[in-house]
Amino acid sequence: GQQLNQSPQSMFIQEGEDVSMNCTSSSIFNTWLWYKQDPGEGPVLLIALYKAGELTSNGRLTAQFGITRKDSFLNISASIPSDVGIYFCAGQRTSGTYKYIFGTGTRLKVLA
Amino acid sequence: DAGVIQSPRHEVTEMGQEVTLRCKPISGHNSLFWYRQTMMRGLELLIYFNNNVPIDDSGMPEDRFSAKMPNASFSTLKIQPSEPRDSAVYFCASSFGANNEQFFGPGTRLTVL
Repeated sequence: GQQLNQSPQSMFIQEGEDVSMNCTSSSIFNTWLWYKQDPGEGPVLLIALYKAGELTSNGRLTAQFGITRKDSFLNISASIPSDVGIYFCAGQRTSGTYKYIFGTGTRLKVLA
Repeated sequence: DAGVIQSPRHEVTEMGQEVTLRCKPISGHNSLFWYRQTMMRGLELLIYFNNNVPIDDSGMPEDRFSAKMPNASFSTLKIQPSEPRDSAVYFCASSFGANNEQFFGPGTRLTVL
């Protein structure tokens, strides 16, 4: 199935560092969602974005809906060990269907 | 409020056996989605129900796969007969309104030997 490109694919960082990841597409989206998936669990919704340029925070997490509507960014500030997991973006096309296309995921590992 | 509930959490079966996965969506949600997650293909939408009616089953890989939603609080995904390539994690998700954020269950890890 179709997937969005996420980068980086994986990253190791030191505890306390800030983390940035992004999701890009050749298509325009009208909604972006960011999920985190812990091992053996389902994806948990972190942030939802609905408008181009929108910047939304959830604790140490901040996500932005790209101005071009073809990308989105997620930042994690002052990372902690429990931030480890896989982060997925999901985009909903402008055509307004119920279908969300999911990113390939960014695997984050935090070194204490 | 309880989230999406799935059972079983793990299922190991032999090729050719029938497998039934179960899902209870979040109360009040009227849209339900079944996904399959594999390393190779990521998260794939299998089927989508709105108000208990299947709207899009284009993601169902083969006729061996079927899904039902007899009422607003219960859905099943059945594989008959199962094959080793069906091994994956199957997620159920629900939302209030088809276009809104989807909330995922913990998944069922299926292994077909």
